[in-house]
Amino acid sequence: NAGVTQTPKFRILKIGQSMTLQCTQDMNHNYMYWYRQDPGMGLKLIYYSVGAGITDKGEVPNGYNVSRSTTEDFPLRLELAAPSQTSVYFCASSYERETYNEQFFGPGTRLTVL
Amino acid sequence: AQKITQTQPGMFVQEKEAVTLDCTYDTSDPSYGLFWYKQPSSGEMIFLIYQGSYDQQNATEGRYSLNFQKARKSANLVISASQLGDSAMYFCAMREAMDSSYKLIFGSGTRLLVRP
Repeated sequence: NAGVTQTPKFRILKIGQSMTLQCTQDMNHNYMYWYRQDPGMGLKLIYYSVGAGITDKGEVPNGYNVSRSTTEDFPLRLELAAPSQTSVYFCASSYERETYNEQFFGPGTRLTVL
Repeated sequence: AQKITQTQPGMFVQEKEAVTLDCTYDTSDPSYGLFWYKQPSSGEMIFLIYQGSYDQQNATEGRYSLNFQKARKSANLVISASQLGDSAMYFCAMREAMDSSYKLIFGSGTRLLVRP
C-alpha cells in the first residue's frame, strides 16, 4: 500500500510555462484534494473531487485546473505559471464524507516559478 | 473571520517536559471534527489525533492528548514527555459536516523546538 504518491518532488518553472502535478492514491478513496502551502502558512484548498468525473473549486483555484477520470488519479494542471504560484503542493485523499475520517497526504511537490 | 487560530508562532520546550499548543476554532456547524497534524522539516503531513464535536471524552493517542473545551471552542494539543523528534510544525485543522467538500481548514501552525 503506497498511500498517496505525488510526482515530481521538486520543479522549477519559468514564468508562463505549464506543467501537471501528478497525484495517485491506492486506497480506493472517493474524496481527493489539492492544497497549497505558502512559506510559514497553513494549507489552503485549491480543488477537490468527490469521485471520478466530479471536481469543484476550493478557496484558491485561480490559475489551476484539475480532472478526475479515475478513482486513483487526480492531476493538477498549472497553466501560464506565475511567481505567485511558488509553493508546496499537497495532494490528499479520504475515504468517505465523515468528519472523523482523516485525510492522508502525499509527500508534497515543491514548485518554484522564476 | 479566521476559522482556526493558532496564536503561538513558535514554542520552546525542554526535553522530557510537557507542552501545550493552543488552537481555537470558529464554526456554527454543530457537527465537526478537529485534527492535529505534525509537519517535520522533511515536509510531510503526519496525522496525530482527532476529536469529534460530539465526543464526550478528550482524545488521546500515546503521548498526544487533546484538551477539548467545546464551550470555549478550543482544542489544544498536549504533548507529554517531549522528545527531540517532536521538533516540527504543528497544525490544527477542522472539518465541518455541513461543508460538502469535507475539506480541512488549517491554522497557520506552531513551530515547536525541543531543547536537549
